[in-house]
Amino acid sequence: QTVVTQEPSFSVSPGGTVTITCGLSSGSVSANSHPSWYQQTPGQAPRTLIYNTNTRSSGVPDRFSGSILGSKAALTITGAQADDECDYYCVLFVGSGWVFGGGTKLTVL
Amino acid sequence: EVQLVESGGALVQPGGSLRLSCSASGFTFNNYFMHWVRQAPGKGPEYISTISSNGDTTLYADSVRGRFTIFRDNSKNTLFLQVSSLRPEDTAMYYCVKDRSGTWSFDYWGQGTLVTVSS
Repeated sequence: QTVVTQEPSFSVSPGGTVTITCGLSSGSVSANSHPSWYQQTPGQAPRTLIYNTNTRSSGVPDRFSGSILGSKAALTITGAQADDECDYYCVLFVGSGWVFGGGTKLTVL
Repeated sequence: EVQLVESGGALVQPGGSLRLSCSASGFTFNNYFMHWVRQAPGKGPEYISTISSNGDTTLYADSVRGRFTIFRDNSKNTLFLQVSSLRPEDTAMYYCVKDRSGTWSFDYWGQGTLVTVSS
């Protein structure tokens, strides 16, 4: 069974930079995993932030960026703002379907 | 504007069945793969199922294969999920999600419909 790993939580100061990573329990994440990132505020449906590793979805501010760092996918928020405080999920395509990471709760304070 | 509106969620007893629907608008429905994703209370989202644009190909997560069936009616721009043999662990918000063609990722999400399995 494929497990996608994320840091459970992160804290960042307003204006600061944070990088959330997305790994595989066995193996490395590459562009072939088609990593994507989703943002979810309480009580709302997820919203697509990044797809194809590093392409921002329409309307997503350019302070959000995606990349591959070593063996993991990464979401970097540069210049964090108060309303960035929410949950972030990565998703990888594993051939037989998609697998969500466990999510990262970001606190901005 | 893309809109996805789910319906059909309800309180159901273990072993019961439901049919969830997703009415789509704002895009050419029959050109896109569609997905169902669920999210249990307090948990992260979980991928459930995918259907190709013409309905010929389907994928299921192991957790629901054999109990859930995805299908679509392109003449009515509607996606369905037939859920059967329901278990308490199937309790979740069920989201209809439009595929982002060619990217192996999710695009637009509906607001979800809640399924609660309890006696």
